[in-house]
Amino acid sequence: DAKTTQPNSMESNEEEPVHLPCNHSTISGTDYIHWYRQLPSQGPEYVIHGLTSNVNNRMASLAIAEDRKSSTLILHRATLRDAAVYYCILRIYGGSQGNLIFGKGTKLSVKP
Amino acid sequence: DADVTQTPRNRITKTGKRIMLECSQTKGHDRMYWYRQDPGLGLRLIYYSFDVKDINKGEISDGYSVSRQAQAKFSLSLESAIPNQTALYFCATGGANPYNEQFFGPGTRLTVL
Repeated sequence: DAKTTQPNSMESNEEEPVHLPCNHSTISGTDYIHWYRQLPSQGPEYVIHGLTSNVNNRMASLAIAEDRKSSTLILHRATLRDAAVYYCILRIYGGSQGNLIFGKGTKLSVKP
Repeated sequence: DADVTQTPRNRITKTGKRIMLECSQTKGHDRMYWYRQDPGLGLRLIYYSFDVKDINKGEISDGYSVSRQAQAKFSLSLESAIPNQTALYFCATGGANPYNEQFFGPGTRLTVL
């Protein structure tokens, strides 16, 4: 099981911020939260990951709830190129050697 | 040039045929992975390898085999292809730390008639 819950789809307008939610109520203390995205007709690509603190990189920000049972991927200004399926994944420390377990993800549509 | 390449990119074959999908990487990573993706679903892990001498079964290894010919090469074989193996196949690599990001290839679309 993926152990995360995400909405099936979301819509956004171009140049507006997007908040993609993820619930992971069974997360353990050492599980990392990873986000990948898959653009149409491409392989997945890494977006960001975190453990407890909020994280920022050039692609996005990751906001992690204080109890770690949920997180939100934030795209600060959506572009048409951000239209993709976004996967929230728990990487279980010490189990399965950190293998990625994908769920169905959230399909993000961006309108011009 | 791409860091992770897969050949072929598309393949149509018949039931019972033996098929090999190849993956090469220039990232110098020890860890390599094979995933399959069915329409509307996320990826599922078939096999993974942490170095040339290490091969491990993933979630859905039945009907598949792999070969790690070198650090840079990891092949997936379907010994006797069947229609429900029709899917998109992705190869990925990862660095020494298993919790770092994985880098994915462009995928191979396989159709078994």
